[in-house]
Amino acid sequence: ELKVEQNPLFLSMQEGKNYTIYCNYSTTSDRLYWYRQDPGKSLESLFVLLSNGAVKQEGRLMASLDTKARLSTLHITAAVHDLSATYFCAVDLGGYSTLTFGKGTMLLVSP
Amino acid sequence: NAGVTQTPKFRVLKTGQSMTLLCAQDMNHEYMYWYRQDPGMGLRLIHYSVGEGTTAKGEVPDGYNVSRLKKQNFLLGLESAAPSQTSVYFCASRPDRPTGGAWETQYFGPGTRLLVL
Repeated sequence: ELKVEQNPLFLSMQEGKNYTIYCNYSTTSDRLYWYRQDPGKSLESLFVLLSNGAVKQEGRLMASLDTKARLSTLHITAAVHDLSATYFCAVDLGGYSTLTFGKGTMLLVSP
Repeated sequence: NAGVTQTPKFRVLKTGQSMTLLCAQDMNHEYMYWYRQDPGMGLRLIHYSVGEGTTAKGEVPDGYNVSRLKKQNFLLGLESAAPSQTSVYFCASRPDRPTGGAWETQYFGPGTRLLVL
């Protein structure tokens, strides 16, 4: 059974600071997704990581994938309030692309 | 394109009542999924479909049934609702193959909030 663990589950940070969210998973996979969810809203796709060593960046967010370590990271650079949301990683085992989600990291960025 | 839409947005049921949640997508996607989201649990897959007329069980299928009679629609049914089914339900869809050379993510609907009393 695939297990996906995110940490931390809650992160309170000040604007301008850097931080990293970690996503560990228990079974070999080379497809991993990051989503953002605002309170009461749906999930918005942030990154699709498809191979070992994949790195993608969008604005202040950068995601990477290490399939050998079964680890993905979401790095936040110089956080701003607009990044406050819950971030989920999800692992795709292939086949019909069913996803197993982590429990999410609630990020709160304050002045 | 409306993308993925869900009906209704919110519903209150009494224990034992039945209801159907409708998911529709206008992107001609083959794959469709139903998830539930509970506080602190992330999203868990209930059922999925890989094409018209097909369905398969996910991680938490008990108490739910699904049907995919048309490619664009995926229905989730609760035959006898229980308080444990109080949750937010999300539908998602995606193509069955890369589009324009790019591997696709799942596209999510806005969600249906269900309260079972």
